This record gives sequence, structure tokens and C-alpha cells, in this order.
Amino acid sequence: GQNIDQPTEMTATEGAIVQINCTYQTSGFNGLFWYQQHAGEAPTFLSYNVLDGLEEKGRFSSFLSRSKGYSYLLLKELQMKDSASYLCAVMDSNYQLIWGAGTKLIIKP
Amino acid sequence: DTEVTQTPKHLVMGMTNKKSLKCEQHMGHRAMYWYKQKAKKPPELMFVYSYEKLSINESVPSRFSPECPNSSLLNLHLHALQPEDSALYLCASSQAGTGMPYEQYFGPGTRLTVT
Repeated sequence: GQNIDQPTEMTATEGAIVQINCTYQTSGFNGLFWYQQHAGEAPTFLSYNVLDGLEEKGRFSSFLSRSKGYSYLLLKELQMKDSASYLCAVMDSNYQLIWGAGTKLIIKP
Repeated sequence: DTEVTQTPKHLVMGMTNKKSLKCEQHMGHRAMYWYKQKAKKPPELMFVYSYEKLSINESVPSRFSPECPNSSLLNLHLHALQPEDSALYLCASSQAGTGMPYEQYFGPGTRLTVT
């Protein structure tokens, strides 16, 4: 079967760094996406990894290890507006997105 | 223009009503998607249109009927819905047809309540 695991909820402090992990087992792999979703709003694209390594984009970085079926999203210099759900999604061999359940990130002052 | 628009924003309908959700994008994307999302759950894929043809139907009940009038528009026709169909309905589009790993751009969604 296809499975994506990520923590249900995490809490971090404003100005700090947080790492949200995602592990996956899918039939084929055509890349891994991270999306941010604020409550009641649509998901917005954050990053895409298809090769091993770290992709940096401002305060957000995403890492992928295909051999371990593992990715993480790193958020630096946390701001209150970063409070949201973070969804990990893998594109399988049929180019379909398989979604994780999302990690709710709570930022405290 | 990197926006996907959806109307209406909110919709309340009875189980005997017929209504339609609309989605529009002007990014030249050739793949468009309908997703259903329940609270605290990830989006569930319902339909995919690639080059204006229905390419994926994820065993969605016939009370949901998609339509793609042209490359910029996507509709979802609703009829005889059940209360459990209440959810956020998201439209998305991507740069190429299915079979390519491009990111999907989502609209703001329609919050549907079936009474």
C-alpha cells in the first residue's frame, strides 16, 4: 500500500527553528512536495524535491533522501504567521499526488 | 496571473437541490483538478482533466458531475447530495497534463454545507 507519515502536531517558539519530518512508502516516486495550508484556506506550494539533498528557499528549506524514503521541511526564524498545517505529498509512478495527513504547527510568542 | 478562482465561496444546499461550483484559471495550465477536503484531513482527489478531457475519476459517486467547457474553466455539478458531502471543495491546476511532476496551484475553495 501507499503510506505517508508525518507528525500530527508540533509546537515551536517565535524566532526559533522547527523541522517537520515526513516518511513515505509509495509505488514509484516522481518527487515530493510540501504545501502550507492555513485554516479554512487553500494549500499553497512551498517546495519540490526529486533529487537527494537540500533545497533552500528563504526561511524554508526542504531535504530529501530517496533511499530512506524521508524528507523534512525546515522553517527558520519562525513567525506567528507560520502557524498552519504543513502537508507532505509524494507523486507516485502514475504522477498522482499521495498526501500525508498534515502537521499542524503552532507558534507561541 | 498566478491565481485560481472559485465561486461561490460558501454554499448551503438541501439534499434535493442542484447547484454548480465554478473554477477558473488563466495561467495556461492544461491540467485541472477537483479535490474534496474534510476538516483536519488532506485533500482527496476526485477528478482530473487533462487537455480538457476527463483523465481520472476516483470512483466518485454520480451525484458529482464534472465538466470542462474550455481550457480555463472547470465546473462541478452537484445533485442529490448527502450531508456527509459537506466539505471544502478545492480546484487546482498545473502547468502540464497528467504525467508530469509540476506543482499544483489551488483555488481558495468552496465551503459546501448540505442540509
